[in-house]
Amino acid sequence: QQQVKQSPQSLIVQKGGIPIINCAYENTAFDYFPWYQQFPGKGPALLIAIRPDVSEKKEGRFTISFNKSAKQFSLHIMDSQPGDSATYFCAASIGGANNLFFGTGTRLTVIP
Amino acid sequence: KAGVTQTPRYLIKTRGQQVTLSCSPISGHRSVSWYQQTPGQGLQFLFEYFSETQRNKGNFPGRFSGRQFSNSRSEMNVSTLELGDSALYLCASRGQLSTDTQYFGPGTRLTVL
Repeated sequence: QQQVKQSPQSLIVQKGGIPIINCAYENTAFDYFPWYQQFPGKGPALLIAIRPDVSEKKEGRFTISFNKSAKQFSLHIMDSQPGDSATYFCAASIGGANNLFFGTGTRLTVIP
Repeated sequence: KAGVTQTPRYLIKTRGQQVTLSCSPISGHRSVSWYQQTPGQGLQFLFEYFSETQRNKGNFPGRFSGRQFSNSRSEMNVSTLELGDSALYLCASRGQLSTDTQYFGPGTRLTVL
């Protein structure tokens, strides 16, 4: 059973566009929601993370929106660049950054 | 600061064999977690070690085991390999605070023939 559901599976946007990746969860005990970026041949790298006491968090061009009542969170990438082309994973855990439950990933392609 | 290192990077084994993968965490990190990444199942948590003790375990059969040494380096062992064990095995380390970030290594690509 997938604890965290992620969509879409793939996404193609033009340079400068704002791709949005969505995730949903069921377990209300989750209290840590990170997003990871993975390039081919590399391990995932943490982009940004949020806890359920805030509804939005921005770091550079990356923004997480969090809707606790709907049990959904999303990643927005502002002014996307070809270098942002990668696979993005949302995740959730209880009590911190250990034992992460990952979404299935979104392959993002940014066209120049 | 050096990142998480994993050896070997690539490995080919045959069914029935066993394999040991190694992970060296970031200096000062005492928590090491292992994940399996496959195209079908995505990233799945295997187990976490902290100060040489297994602290959490995912839903994998007993063929998957691990250990951590006093210098925080960790090894993962898979016995009686099956074709379905072909995957990228990722190691991640973090500090001891629950708010610390988890840093992943580049992974070991295991192919079982």
